Amino acid sequence: GQNIDQPTEMTATEGAIVQINCTYQTSGFNGLFWYQQHAGEAPTFLSYNVLDGLEEKGRFSSFLSRSKGYSYLLLKELQMKDSASYLCAVKGNRDDKIIFGKGTRLHILP
Amino acid sequence: EPEVTQTPSHQVTQMGQEVILRCVPISNHLYFYWYRQILGQKVEFLVSFYNNEISEKSEIFDDQFSVERPDGSNFTLKIRSTKLEDSAMYFCASMGTLQGPQGRDGYTFGSGTRLTVV
Repeated sequence: GQNIDQPTEMTATEGAIVQINCTYQTSGFNGLFWYQQHAGEAPTFLSYNVLDGLEEKGRFSSFLSRSKGYSYLLLKELQMKDSASYLCAVKGNRDDKIIFGKGTRLHILP
Repeated sequence: EPEVTQTPSHQVTQMGQEVILRCVPISNHLYFYWYRQILGQKVEFLVSFYNNEISEKSEIFDDQFSVERPDGSNFTLKIRSTKLEDSAMYFCASMGTLQGPQGRDGYTFGSGTRLTVV
């Protein structure tokens, strides 16, 4: 089976840094994705990790440790528009679909 | 930037009626998916479609559901006899390849169809 865990909600302050953690257990592994989803909208792609380490893309970075089944998404210089849900998602095998976690709702305070 | 287009954006239907949700994937993509998201819950996989046939389906995708790619551009999800619990946002997604640079980008999602069954 597959299981993806992430915190339900987090709160952070505008301009600050926040780290959203994700742990997963899957029968195979062919990549971990982070998506952003604003209320009532479709998920949009943020990052992809398939090898251990940190991938940086502007204000957003994502880290993966395959041996620990662990990833985090780091958001820097938070802006009010970053208020959204952040979805951790895993592809189990090469030809597999992507499975989503329940998402972390991030609230940004002024 | 290429888009996945879904129509309609909202659909209200009576319980027991058939609905067809339509999607136009990105033109050179090969892999197509339907997901649903019940309000306040996670995005759930329904079905994947490749080479004109279903490649995988979830437990949710029972005999009431079917998919079709009738004309090489549209990708449809049909629910034969809707139930109240089918009320959800339905997302279509497509992907060009499973590996390589495009595989790194995961899916491109459509903006979704909000289905309300009354």
